[in-house]
Amino acid sequence: ETGVTQTPRHLVMGMTNKKSLKCEQHLGHNAMYWYKQSAKKPLELMFVYNFKEQTENNSVPSRFSPECPNSSHLFLHLHTLQPEDSALYLCASSQGAGRIQETQYFGPGTRLLVL
Amino acid sequence: GESVGLHLPTLSVQEGDNSIINCAYSNSASDYFIWYKQESGKGPQFIIDIRSNMDKRQGQRVTVLLNKTVKHLSLQIAATQPGDSAVYFCAENNFGNQFYFGTGTSLTVIP
Repeated sequence: ETGVTQTPRHLVMGMTNKKSLKCEQHLGHNAMYWYKQSAKKPLELMFVYNFKEQTENNSVPSRFSPECPNSSHLFLHLHTLQPEDSALYLCASSQGAGRIQETQYFGPGTRLLVL
Repeated sequence: GESVGLHLPTLSVQEGDNSIINCAYSNSASDYFIWYKQESGKGPQFIIDIRSNMDKRQGQRVTVLLNKTVKHLSLQIAATQPGDSAVYFCAENNFGNQFYFGTGTSLTVIP
């Protein structure tokens, strides 16, 4: 449970606000991920970082901006969001190093509400 | 595209009974599968995984069965306990670093 931490756990923001979500992993992994989880929908992969380099961007709108300063930290910067962006945002990490099919370990998520 | 889905969105079982949660996948090239458990207010938690060269794998009180012929995956929980109440979903992968997730089955254990 404490391997991947996320802050804040809950966030309410207006459509003109700018906020950031933070993720930190303590597992010594090299790959980190952002997912969006909406009610009754499958997890949607947003971004993948491997050794601090972005390797996937699943057509995510530019109002979501990721940042990965090192292998242990991942941020998601939010600006001018829409109400439909309200969801649970999950961070995950995996071993990385070019391996495929690795188990991903998730953080508790940030519950975001956009008003 | 990928399609991972669950047959039943909700499942209620009596405490002590066995639970079976099913998952269908559409990509016959998928060769790695994971079951996750997500409790309310928490992130998904890894339960068990299986690769396509196996048809059964057992963990502590859990068993995953893989039927590649019909592209079906199931999770069996033995002697279900109240703490097992959660949403369970499967994820599939086919040689990439992107997993495709199902929508989940909500398991409720009745004391």
